[in-house]
Amino acid sequence: KQEVTQIPAALSVPEGENLVLNCSFTDSAIYNLQWFRQDPGKGLTSLLLIQSSQREQTSGRLNASLDKSSGRSTLYIAASQPGDSATYLCAVSSNYQLIWGAGTKLIIKP
Amino acid sequence: NAGVTQTPKFRVLKTGQSMTLLCAQDMNHEYMYWYRQDPGMGLRLIHYSVGEGTTAKGEVPDGYNVSRLKKQNFLLGLESAAPSQTSVYFCASSSGTDGRGTQYFGPGTRLLVL
Repeated sequence: KQEVTQIPAALSVPEGENLVLNCSFTDSAIYNLQWFRQDPGKGLTSLLLIQSSQREQTSGRLNASLDKSSGRSTLYIAASQPGDSATYLCAVSSNYQLIWGAGTKLIIKP
Repeated sequence: NAGVTQTPKFRVLKTGQSMTLLCAQDMNHEYMYWYRQDPGMGLRLIHYSVGEGTTAKGEVPDGYNVSRLKKQNFLLGLESAAPSQTSVYFCASSSGTDGRGTQYFGPGTRLLVL
């Protein structure tokens, strides 16, 4: 059974720092991996989708990598800003379903 | 283009009452999903649909029923609500012909069962 883990559960850093969020999964047979952002009381917004054949995807200050063989993905956020404060969730796609991690709550201190 | 909308936004039920949550999408997506999100846990799939008139069970389907009579709408029903069903419910639809594309989420429905 696929399991997705995100460590740490919470992270607080000063504004301007570069940071890395981690996601690991137990079964490497995935179709893709997606990173989402969730703001308090709001729905989820897709940030990046990496196909299983890809190694990384970039969008603005965000870069997501995927290493299927080791069951790991990282989300790199460059030059963090207070507006980046949110919960970040990763999810892996298999059999038309997404299996989710519990998320990392990120706080960027001004 | 409203994307994915959910109604209601918040609801309080007593144990044993029933209700229906409505999800609507205007992106012509074939695939739609219902999730629940509980504190400290990832989203868990309740039911999903791969097209009009079809539904399938997800990870936690017990106590819920769904219907997809129209392509744009996906309804989630609770026949006899229980306190364990207190949660935030999210609906999503996905792009791509195989359902493995980006998922687009509604704003969620907060349900409290007393």
